[in-house]
Amino acid sequence: EAQVTQNPRYLITVTGKKLTVTCSQNMNHEYMSWYRQDPGLGLRQIYYSMNVEVTDKGDVPEGYKVSRKEKRNFPLILESPSPNQTSLYFCASSLGAADTQYFGPGTRLTVL
Amino acid sequence: GENVEQHPSTLSVQEGDSAVIKCTYSDSASNYFPWYKQELGKRPQLIIDIRSNVGEKKDQRIAVTLNKTAKHFSLHITETQPEDSAVYFCAASEGDYKLSFGAGTTVTVRA
Repeated sequence: EAQVTQNPRYLITVTGKKLTVTCSQNMNHEYMSWYRQDPGLGLRQIYYSMNVEVTDKGDVPEGYKVSRKEKRNFPLILESPSPNQTSLYFCASSLGAADTQYFGPGTRLTVL
Repeated sequence: GENVEQHPSTLSVQEGDSAVIKCTYSDSASNYFPWYKQELGKRPQLIIDIRSNVGEKKDQRIAVTLNKTAKHFSLHITETQPEDSAVYFCAASEGDYKLSFGAGTTVTVRA
């Protein structure tokens, strides 16, 4: 089954404790991206990757890191989480930015 | 960068009526305009998209129109049904790199 998976689905953590949210896709897609969803602000792109080892900043990259060492995986790293990073995070994959985005199920993150 | 504005933020319609959501974009180079539907507690899913070489596209009860000169595009839902209740997001793509979303419209279909 073609899918995008994210883990964990829910996470409560404390300020400053490094965390990683994993994202994996099995559709051989070149393009992957991370979004955060906040009420009234829609989906804002954090980082995107056009291919392995190629990543670039989206609209809200501050406080986040990513890596793309393999085509199927695109983890999101928060080195020192802060309360303003409390949000719903979605990973997505596609053939390209101008193609259907397939979203993962989302990760609800709370930073205390 | 690209700025996508979406209106209205909420929309309540009577079942069977039509719903229209409008979006404007700032980058004249944008050439791909998708619409996503997000039901409560679920992930966004593509419902329709349009590219800049097309002015209108239809798929059953939904349609999207694009006005490149005015830099705006709209989603039209006809004969609305309760299952159309959801949050709808428009987006615009800057070439093949970034995808920028609007803030979303919460549509409620009243029975």
